[in-house]
Amino acid sequence: DAKTTQPPSMDCAEGRAANLPCNHSTISGNEYVYWYRQIHSQGPQYIIHGLKNNETNEMASLIITEDRKSSTLILPHATLRDTAVYYCIVRVNTGNQFYFGTGTSLTVIP
Amino acid sequence: EAGVVQSPRYKIIEKKQPVAFWCNPISGHNTLYWYLQNLGQGPELLIRYENEEAVDDSQLPKDRFSAERLKGVDSTLKIQPAELGDSAVYLCASSLAGGTGELFFGEGSRLTVL
Repeated sequence: DAKTTQPPSMDCAEGRAANLPCNHSTISGNEYVYWYRQIHSQGPQYIIHGLKNNETNEMASLIITEDRKSSTLILPHATLRDTAVYYCIVRVNTGNQFYFGTGTSLTVIP
Repeated sequence: EAGVVQSPRYKIIEKKQPVAFWCNPISGHNTLYWYLQNLGQGPELLIRYENEEAVDDSQLPKDRFSAERLKGVDSTLKIQPAELGDSAVYLCASSLAGGTGELFFGEGSRLTVL
C-alpha cells in the first residue's frame, strides 16, 4: 500500500478555511484516498474519500491533484470542534486494509 | 442504529495479569478490525477479520495476544500476560463488504498496565 506524508501540526483561525495537505506520491491507480479525524479520547471518524475526482460532502471537500500524488482536505469554515488529528490514508479498492500514519494535529484558534 | 460497542472503556491491571477486550460491531458488518494506538501515534492494525476468518494477523504479537470472532459477529482480544508496554488504547472498527469501505470505530478500551 502507498504511504502518506502529512505535516505533524497546523493551526487555523476559527471561521477560516483549513487546508490539510497529504502527499501520496506512490499511489496506484486503484487506490483511494480516505480522510479520517480523531478527536481526543474518541475513535477515528470517517470524513471523506475519493479516487480521481474532487469530492464534497457536508463535512469537507477533497481536492486530488491530476497526477494523484497529493491531495488536500478542506474544512471550509473551521470551528473549535474541528480541533483534532486528521489522518490521510490510501486504500486498495479491492481490499480492506487501512493503514494510518501519524496524521496532522489541527488546532483551531478562537 | 447502534455504533461499534467496546468494553471495558478503561482497564487498569498489574503486569503479568491477563486482560480481555470485547467488541460488538455494527449489525451486518462482516469485516472487523482491532487496532492498537499508543499515545501520540496513529492506530496500528493488529488483526482483521472477514466474517469469522482472521485474514490479516501479521502484526499481532502471537506470543501474548490472541483474538477470536467465533460466530462472525462480536470479537474478543486477549492479552496474557500483560506487559508494561501494552499500555495503550485498543480500538475496534467494522465495515460493510461492498460498501464505501468506510470504517466505523468504537470509542476504544484504554489499558493501563502497572
